[in-house]
Amino acid sequence: AQKITQTQPGMFVQEKEAVTLDCTYDTSDPSYGLFWYKQPSSGEMIFLIYQGSYDQQNATEGRYSLNFQKARKSANLVISASQLGDSAMYFCAMSEDAGANSKLTFGKGITLSVRP
Amino acid sequence: DSGVTQTPKHLITATGQRVTLRCSPRSGDLSVYWYQQSLDQGLQFLIQYYNGEERAKGNILERFSAQQFPDLHSELNLSSLELGDSALYFCASSVVDRGNSPLHFGNGTRLTVT
Repeated sequence: AQKITQTQPGMFVQEKEAVTLDCTYDTSDPSYGLFWYKQPSSGEMIFLIYQGSYDQQNATEGRYSLNFQKARKSANLVISASQLGDSAMYFCAMSEDAGANSKLTFGKGITLSVRP
Repeated sequence: DSGVTQTPKHLITATGQRVTLRCSPRSGDLSVYWYQQSLDQGLQFLIQYYNGEERAKGNILERFSAQQFPDLHSELNLSSLELGDSALYFCASSVVDRGNSPLHFGNGTRLTVT
């Protein structure tokens, strides 16, 4: 069963606008972590933001915020004030049993293109 | 710069050959992970080591093996290579072996099997 689902086709956003990248997950563990990574065309994987399943507030890191809706099992990434350098592939990932093992399971990714 | 160093950046080899990919984790990180990224399979977890011991195994083929040395660097050995093994291989490290610890990735080794 697919644990992380990213179904949006390639996304486009105008520079300086906000964009939401969708992610849904599936787990029976009460304790888990959700991560977003960015992969530019150069290939490296860049950690953006983390949300723990027990965190009461949505995570924020600069222009990145995570819209965590636990009942819906969704963890959408919101990028505010998009920049040309945000054009990249974005991956949602999950770790289960957050107390024991931090192996990450990744979704298929979403391509974001920022238009000038 | 994530602080994770992978060598070589690119590797081109023939089918049937054996290669070794090397990874130096971030200073202070005890846990090392290997991932394979291909167009059809996406990012697949291969194996994890924590302080020298194997901690978790994923979709790693029997032709592949890895180890983590006392100085915490890790090597991924790929043998009897097939065309389908062509992929981007990432090493990642984290401070501890806990689910709330982000993985920091190296820049990857791009393997091409011809």
